[in-house]
Amino acid sequence: DAGITQSPRHKVTETGTPVTLRCHQTENHRYMYWYRQDPGHGLRLIHYSYGVKDTDKGEVSDGYSVSRSKTEDFLLTLESATSSQTSVYFCAIRPRANTGELFFGEGSRLTVL
Amino acid sequence: AQSVSQHNHHVILSEAASLELGCNYSYGGTVNLFWYVQYPGQHLQLLLKYFSGDPLVKGIKGFEAEFIKSKFSFNLRKPSVQWSDTAEYFCAVNEAGNQFYFGTGTSLTVIP
Repeated sequence: DAGITQSPRHKVTETGTPVTLRCHQTENHRYMYWYRQDPGHGLRLIHYSYGVKDTDKGEVSDGYSVSRSKTEDFLLTLESATSSQTSVYFCAIRPRANTGELFFGEGSRLTVL
Repeated sequence: AQSVSQHNHHVILSEAASLELGCNYSYGGTVNLFWYVQYPGQHLQLLLKYFSGDPLVKGIKGFEAEFIKSKFSFNLRKPSVQWSDTAEYFCAVNEAGNQFYFGTGTSLTVIP
């Protein structure tokens, strides 16, 4: 158990509404990531964070914003959800920089109607 | 950006058959390499990883992978698969930095 909690685990929303997904970790690791998983695309990085208020964009960041005001929480926000953002979202942490692997949360399934 | 290719999209094997899943990456510098497994309805879990040293890496559940630098490859192998190995397998590459790049995955179905 990597001590990662994602919420909500499932959400259905309508196009145009804002959505925030939360990733919470219990061990104060510096590096946190948001990925989306889609059939045929594998996992694609949305944003990642390397400390409080330190974030950077990944390969599919358009339409998403993130915030990290506390070490333990990394929030992913869809300001105005679109159907193309229907996906499974995974949060990950990297306990050891440079040589460590990622540990993943359970995922949040988002459906945008 | 790094590109990771998994050539086998869907593999079907009978129990006890041998498995080899291909993974190739594009970056020519120093990389860290990983194989993850995702069982149905679950999150990704690490199978094995390579950072340096012996290019033949052994992981959990009898899996192993071989890093061949000249071929930019990190193929996953298992000599005898079981029904419980049915899952999706992802290869991932980390350059000297914080970003990880994943392949599109290979779905493995093992028939009892």
